[in-house]
Amino acid sequence: EVQLVESGGGLVKPGRSLRLSCAASGFTFSTYTMNWVRQAPGKGLEWVSSISSSGSSIYYADSVKGRFTISRDNAKNSLYLQMNSLRAEDTAVYYCAKAVRFLEWLFDYWGQGTLVTVSS
Amino acid sequence: EIVLTQSPGTLSLSPGGRATLSCRASQSVSSNYLAWYQQKPGQAPRLLIYGASTRATGIPDRFSGSGSGTDFTLTITRLEPEDFAVYYCQHYGASPGTFGQGTKVEIK
Repeated sequence: EVQLVESGGGLVKPGRSLRLSCAASGFTFSTYTMNWVRQAPGKGLEWVSSISSSGSSIYYADSVKGRFTISRDNAKNSLYLQMNSLRAEDTAVYYCAKAVRFLEWLFDYWGQGTLVTVSS
Repeated sequence: EIVLTQSPGTLSLSPGGRATLSCRASQSVSSNYLAWYQQKPGQAPRLLIYGASTRATGIPDRFSGSGSGTDFTLTITRLEPEDFAVYYCQHYGASPGTFGQGTKVEIK
């Protein structure tokens, strides 16, 4: 059974940093593109970042480019999102999402999400 | 970047009814790379439909997708209580995988 478990969310002040993690199991993690998708309170879904299976291809939404860094450790079956210079508008539930093989932007499994609140 | 516009914003229906949700793209969606997701309150999204009309694993056949080009439809026949949720369409043919703003299907 595919499982994605996010952690690392919490309350943080504007301008500070936070690192999210996603622990994957139930599939061969090292062979799939992985993504972060976020959802602000009461709002829709916003794709944040994507990393290919080897980590060689990385993409970011314009809203986070230069502030967020996605990475992965295939030996640990883990995905990460380093979030720096956080802003109030980054407040959201952050989901880890597995892509379908060869369809990097189609997400077939999602974690339960971790809430990030940016507030002074 | 393709922009997806979903309508209506909210659909009020009774259990047993039929829901018709629309997703319109700002330009043609190549290879019908259009997906639908369901999200219930407090839960993660769940993939329902991909390729505009192919149901994902375990999705009941009361859910069906149709359309091509710029106009796509998700139809839910015989609404069950667990179907009342928010539904998002997504274009996944190219970076980034943009989502529509969502349609809420609520109990009338």
